[in-house]
Amino acid sequence: QSVLTQPPSVSAAPGQKVTISCSGSSSNIGNNYVSWYQQLPGTAPRLLIYDNNERPSGIPDRFSGSKSGTSATLAITGLQTGDEADYYCGTWDSSLSAVVFGGGTKLTVL
Amino acid sequence: QVQLQESGPGLVRPSQTLSLTCTVSGGSISSGGYYWSWIRQHPGKGLEWIGNMYYSGSTYYNPSLKGRVTISVDTSKNQFSLKLSSVTAADSAVYYCARREAPGGWFDPWGQGTLVTVSS
Repeated sequence: QSVLTQPPSVSAAPGQKVTISCSGSSSNIGNNYVSWYQQLPGTAPRLLIYDNNERPSGIPDRFSGSKSGTSATLAITGLQTGDEADYYCGTWDSSLSAVVFGGGTKLTVL
Repeated sequence: QVQLQESGPGLVRPSQTLSLTCTVSGGSISSGGYYWSWIRQHPGKGLEWIGNMYYSGSTYYNPSLKGRVTISVDTSKNQFSLKLSSVTAADSAVYYCARREAPGGWFDPWGQGTLVTVSS
């Protein structure tokens, strides 16, 4: 059972928009920055979003992040088949004194 | 750009100590501003933070691993290492090393990962 809660799966058609939620508490998301990672099949995770809504260089602006209260959201617009991957949110948990991740969300582009 | 590469045995016997090394290239571990981290992923499962170390020697470990973890840094070789003692089959996983921004906390970049199986 992960500290951060993500939907196990989401799906949408190419060109459409999808959002992935990440729910936590005041000890983690509520008072710390959230980052998002994309894990393509058989590869290592890659940083997509940091500090809730910042994109590293090289990440397309189709990917965006937001945070409100104890929840964070990753949005992907203009879906492409190459976006099919597992997506994870992560943050620091002040009560656990540990980095925590969500359980991951599998994105299917239909 | 900075790249990380894990190395170590792919098979460890139960009750023994798992030892992995991460070699950093394209940047210096001693440059400061980053935590050098280990994360693992059980087959078909999510990510689990193991711990991290600052180049100065300060360490932070996941309490769930109950004192079995040691992370160390060798600045002369630009490497950092993971030791996990008293392993069981539950420690079988893909182990990743990664650089963690201090204090923001995000992980970037990641190594390619190495699969470690605990079996007799």
